[in-house]
Amino acid sequence: GQNIDQPTEMTATEGAIVQINCTYQTSGFNGLFWYQQHAGEAPTVRSYNVLDGLEEKGRFSSFLSRSKGYSYLLLKELQMKDSASYLCAVQSGGYNKLIFGAGTRLAVHP
Amino acid sequence: IAGITQAPTSQILAAGRRMTLRCTQDMRHNAMYWYRQDLGLGLRLIHYSNTAGTTGKGEVPDGYSVSRANTDDFPLTLASAVPSQTSVYFCASSRLADGTGELFFGEGSRLTVL
Repeated sequence: GQNIDQPTEMTATEGAIVQINCTYQTSGFNGLFWYQQHAGEAPTVRSYNVLDGLEEKGRFSSFLSRSKGYSYLLLKELQMKDSASYLCAVQSGGYNKLIFGAGTRLAVHP
Repeated sequence: IAGITQAPTSQILAAGRRMTLRCTQDMRHNAMYWYRQDLGLGLRLIHYSNTAGTTGKGEVPDGYSVSRANTDDFPLTLASAVPSQTSVYFCASSRLADGTGELFFGEGSRLTVL
């Protein structure tokens, strides 16, 4: 079967660094996305990995190990506006459909 | 403003009624998708379409149907709504017909079935 696991909730302090982990088991792999979703809004992409290693995009970085079925999203210099759900999604199988994890709700405190 | 437009934004519906959620994109993307989002379960794919004239079943297709008569429109129909279809529905699109690349999402349609 297809399975994507990530923690349900995390809390962090403004200005700090937080790492959100994701493990996956899917039939095939063509890429991994991290989406950010504020309450009541549409998800928007924050990071994308196809090959192993670290991808950096401003305050957001994401790491991928395909052999371990593992990724993490790293958020630096946390701001209050980073409070949101972060969704790990794997592109897999026929027609490269995106399979989503249940999401990690991040709360940033002053 | 370019993007994906969904309608209605919110709807309360009696069980047994027929309902169509509309989705229109103006980005000339080839692939389009319908997801439902439920607390604790994340986004689950209902149906997808890689190009106009073709559709496919996702993870949770039962009780739903779609059509793709042209590139821009991808309506989702609930033939006879049931309370378990209470959810937030997101339409999405991606540029390439093979589905690779980023998905762009609409703002969602909140449906309550009583």
